[in-house]
Amino acid sequence: DQQVKQNSPSLSVQEGRISILNCDYTNSMFDYFLWYKKYPAEGPTFLISISSIKDKNEDGRFTVFLNKSAKHLSLHIVPSQPGDSAVYFCARPTGANNLFFGTGTRLTVIP
Amino acid sequence: KAGVTQTPRYLIKTRGQQVTLSCSPISGHRSVSWYQQTPGQGLQFLFEYFSETQRNKGNFPGRFSGRQFSNSRSEMNVSTLELGDSALYLCASSSGTATDTQYFGPGTRLTVL
Repeated sequence: DQQVKQNSPSLSVQEGRISILNCDYTNSMFDYFLWYKKYPAEGPTFLISISSIKDKNEDGRFTVFLNKSAKHLSLHIVPSQPGDSAVYFCARPTGANNLFFGTGTRLTVIP
Repeated sequence: KAGVTQTPRYLIKTRGQQVTLSCSPISGHRSVSWYQQTPGQGLQFLFEYFSETQRNKGNFPGRFSGRQFSNSRSEMNVSTLELGDSALYLCASSSGTATDTQYFGPGTRLTVL
């Protein structure tokens, strides 16, 4: 049973426009989610997180929305920049310091 | 504050050999988790150590093992290497609770020939 699922393997967006990356999840008693960004040959870098007590969390150009009824979360990047081109993973803890990662979405921001 | 460091960054081994990878966590972090990233399986959790004790283990064969030292540095070992063990091995450190952010190292790229 996949805990989080990213259905879009890739996304291309023009520079300056909004990027929206999506993630669906299955039932859990503890809704806490994270987004990581990963460049090739580097480790994932933490971007932003959200817990079930909120439906939105914002950090600069990055905003994560949580729709608990739809079991869906999305990461919005506004405005998108070429340096945002990377693979984005949603993840959730499944135990103490055990993260389950989605399969990732490769974002390409076109200058 | 220095980040998570992993050594070596690249490694080439042959089938049947064993390998040891090392991870130094961020100063003050007591938890180290290990992950394997492959094109086919994505990012998968291997195991986690906290205060020298393995707290969690993923679904990997016993050929994959690890340990943690009193200074929180961790090593993972893979014995009897198989071609399918070729992957990027990542370690992450945190303070140790489920909602603590995990900070990842750059990874060790292992190639098994």
